Amino acid sequence: QQQVKQSPQSLIVQKGGISIINCAYENTAFDYFPWYQQFPGKGPALLIAIRPDVSEKKEGRFTISFNKSAKQFSLHIMDSQPGDSATYFCAASMTGGSYIPTFGRGTSLIVHP
Amino acid sequence: SAVISQKPSRDICQRGTSLTIQCQVDSQVTMMFWYRQQPGQSLTLIATANQGSEATYESGFVIDKFPISRPNLTFSTLTVSNMSPEDSSIYLCSVAKTVAVMGNEQFFGPGTRLTVL
Repeated sequence: QQQVKQSPQSLIVQKGGISIINCAYENTAFDYFPWYQQFPGKGPALLIAIRPDVSEKKEGRFTISFNKSAKQFSLHIMDSQPGDSATYFCAASMTGGSYIPTFGRGTSLIVHP
Repeated sequence: SAVISQKPSRDICQRGTSLTIQCQVDSQVTMMFWYRQQPGQSLTLIATANQGSEATYESGFVIDKFPISRPNLTFSTLTVSNMSPEDSSIYLCSVAKTVAVMGNEQFFGPGTRLTVL
């Protein structure tokens, strides 16, 4: 079964700190790696995504680092804010064929003020 | 992007009854999905809702329990039949759209929080 392993399950960070969430995948056919942010009572929303032709993508305080050889990718949240407190899901999918992403188990992030 | 609405947003139901959840998208989409998210858990795909044909169900999910309709490219329904407390969960409608450069992006509705007593 295709899997995406996400860690840690929960993370507590002080305001201004760096939050790091890691994911590892098995299927080398995956070529699209999005991160989703979900606030309580809301559906997941696409936060940032990367393709394996680049090793890093940055959007504001959010950065994806991608290591193709290790089959790992991570989300870094710089200068973490209490408003970043949410559950974060990594995912992986193949753009060819039927598009159905495989999701990680999620990381509950709490940023203390 | 895609704006997705779901009805109802939440419901409390008695065991043995059925609930139909509606999903409306603001634009025509080919790929539409239904997910289940149990408290504190990840997203589990129930089925792909195919327009004009029967839905494609994932392992562990069957049509008799989760019948799905997809009458057009902007609307779908998911019915949770003969409910039991184990069906208590958040049910999410999702669509995938092709976005330039990045390819397919997936958008989610706000979810329907179901509690079965």
